[in-house]
Amino acid sequence: NAGVMQNPRHLVRRRGQEARLRCSPMKGHSHVYWYRQLPEEGLKFMVYLQKENIIDESGMPKERFSAEFPKEGPSILRIQQVVRGDSAAYFCASSPPKGTGELFFGEGSRLTVL
Amino acid sequence: DAKTTQPNSMESNEEEPVHLPCNHSTISGTDYIHWYRQLPSQGPEYVIHGLTSNVNNRMASLAIAEDRKSSTLILHRATLRDAAVYYCIRGSQGNLIFGKGTKLSVKP
Repeated sequence: NAGVMQNPRHLVRRRGQEARLRCSPMKGHSHVYWYRQLPEEGLKFMVYLQKENIIDESGMPKERFSAEFPKEGPSILRIQQVVRGDSAAYFCASSPPKGTGELFFGEGSRLTVL
Repeated sequence: DAKTTQPNSMESNEEEPVHLPCNHSTISGTDYIHWYRQLPSQGPEYVIHGLTSNVNNRMASLAIAEDRKSSTLILHRATLRDAAVYYCIRGSQGNLIFGKGTKLSVKP
């Protein structure tokens, strides 16, 4: 059973470009979470999605950031017009529909903005 | 706000037990206590979770105080591969709020 798959593992963008990070949850998992980790800091919750629905986006910046989890295909975290402060590791996690809170994390996507 | 309090760092010797404390004095009745760890340059890894009773699994044990205001993660025999940041989190299904965690160093 494959774990949570994230790609790309490393992404380099210039200021003003767009970054798209993809996350395929574990088989049978319908809940996806995105977290951001700045260098030398802890993980910050960004958004919680179920298929075709955003459940909690309280941690998402108000501008330039968006997330989706379509009926088919991976979840996508999209960052428009990236700035240097967006440089971070972005982790995706998934959980089954009726879990007790255990999250299964991917290896992360490391975004570097030049 | 992580709503849990952990020491910033701890040290242990290899092959010895490690007790990682966590305070969660404002925990609600429905909140689980979760522990995750993060090795350098990797994603967080689930360790254990519990609600009221002490829990054991192949990785660790979780001792929960009777009033649930604190808990302790117990690694029975630390190995070098246990060196990581350990996060104690209170919450239920949905987003889990990570704090800064405890950085555990294991000396050979």
